[in-house]
Amino acid sequence: SQQGEEDPQALSIQEGENATMNCSYKTSINNLQWYRQNSGRGLVHLILIRSNEREKHSGRLRVTLDTSKKSSSLLITASRAADTASYFCATDAGQAGTALIFGKGTTLSVSS
Amino acid sequence: DGGITQSPKYLFRKEGQNVTLSCEQNLNHDAMYWYRQDPGQGLRLIYYSQIVNDFQKGDIAEGYSVSREKKESFPLTVTSAQKNPTAFYLCASSIRSTGAGELFFGEGSRLTVL
Repeated sequence: SQQGEEDPQALSIQEGENATMNCSYKTSINNLQWYRQNSGRGLVHLILIRSNEREKHSGRLRVTLDTSKKSSSLLITASRAADTASYFCATDAGQAGTALIFGKGTTLSVSS
Repeated sequence: DGGITQSPKYLFRKEGQNVTLSCEQNLNHDAMYWYRQDPGQGLRLIYYSQIVNDFQKGDIAEGYSVSREKKESFPLTVTSAQKNPTAFYLCASSIRSTGAGELFFGEGSRLTVL
């Protein structure tokens, strides 16, 4: 079962523009995480936001979480060509015996 | 350097053959995971293990088997019973054994069935 659903599926922007990706999920979570995947490579953890947090920043990344709407957004400011990748949200129920559940991802293309 | 090593990176298999994908970590993490990724799709959980000699089925365990005899190693066998095994397989680990926490991924193994 896939809990997170990202929107849009694909996004094309110019360098310097901001990129916003959204993630919706279905059940209660302990935290929500965002990962990046370059083509043909493994995933890299970007940021984790806990269920009691509303916003978190890391460099050019800004993540928001609205537990009442069961949604999160990832904003990448001042995009660079090197940001071209797929971005996935993943939810953690935080219970013993559980694993992260990933969405289908947003493919971001940043052109110079 | 600490990390997760998956091998082989590319693997070709004839129909009806079993194949084993290797995953080794030197991060001293308790939990390890196998995910499958199909083109344009997200990651689907195959199996995970939170402690040595114990593992749990994920959403798509049919046709796969695993073992966890050592903390560092979590090999995945794709059996002939897996109807559509061509995919990109990702192994991951996390320090926590309750909940998932942050995952550290290997570089993946791409399996193609001929």
